[in-house]
Amino acid sequence: QKEVEQNSGPLSVPEGAIASLNCTYSDRGSQSFFWYRQYSGKSPELIMSIYSNGDKEDGRFTAQLNKASQYVSLLIRDSQPSDSATYLCAVDTGRRALTFGSGTRLQVQP
Amino acid sequence: DTGVSQDPRHKITKRGQNVTFRCDPISEHNRLYWYRQTLGQGPEFLTYFQNEAQLEKSRLLSDRFSAERPKGSFSTLEIQRTEQGDSAMYLCASSFPTDSYGYTFGSGTRLTVV
Repeated sequence: QKEVEQNSGPLSVPEGAIASLNCTYSDRGSQSFFWYRQYSGKSPELIMSIYSNGDKEDGRFTAQLNKASQYVSLLIRDSQPSDSATYLCAVDTGRRALTFGSGTRLQVQP
Repeated sequence: DTGVSQDPRHKITKRGQNVTFRCDPISEHNRLYWYRQTLGQGPEFLTYFQNEAQLEKSRLLSDRFSAERPKGSFSTLEIQRTEQGDSAMYLCASSFPTDSYGYTFGSGTRLTVV
C-alpha cells in the first residue's frame, strides 16, 4: 500500500463547475497535509495546507481533512481552464520529509 | 530573487559521466530537500539537510549519489557514473525548521542521460 494515494485521473470538469480531488494516506500519525499544483513542465507550487479536521477555505479553494477516515480532499469552485494542472497531495508523517502522492491530473474544459 | 534557485535548468549527459547540480535555498530556510520526479509520478524523497547536517537519505539514493550542504547555505547533488534510469527532474526545496509550513520548490534540473 502506498503511503499517499491519489487517483491519477484525468478528472475532467466543465468551466465553472466544482472540481473535487481526493487523497488517502496510510500513516495515522500524519499531522500536516498539503496540496500542491504542478503545471506541465514546471515545479510544484504550494496552494493549501491543513492541519485540523474540518474545512479550510482560501478563495476558490477548500481543503477538507478527516483524520479518522485518513483522507484529505481539495475542492476548487468555479473551475477555470487555468486550473488545468496536476494536483499533488503531500503528507507530513512527522518522521522525515513530506511524502507525495502521484498526483491527479485535472482538465477544465472551456 | 527570494525564491529557490537551481542550476542548471537542463543537463544532457552521456551514460557513465558524472553530473553535479546546485541549489540555493531561500535564505531564511534552514531545511533543504532533494526530490526526484519522473513523468507521471509525484516527487520522491532523496535526502534532506537541516543547516549543514544531512539528516536522512532515502533508500533510492544509491552510493552513486552524494549530496552536500557546506556551511548550511547552498547544496550540491552529484550523480556519479550516470545511468539512463537517472533521467528525471531533480527538485530542490527549502522550508523553515518544521515541515508544518510546506516547502518552496525550485524550478528543478531536468537530467537526460543518453
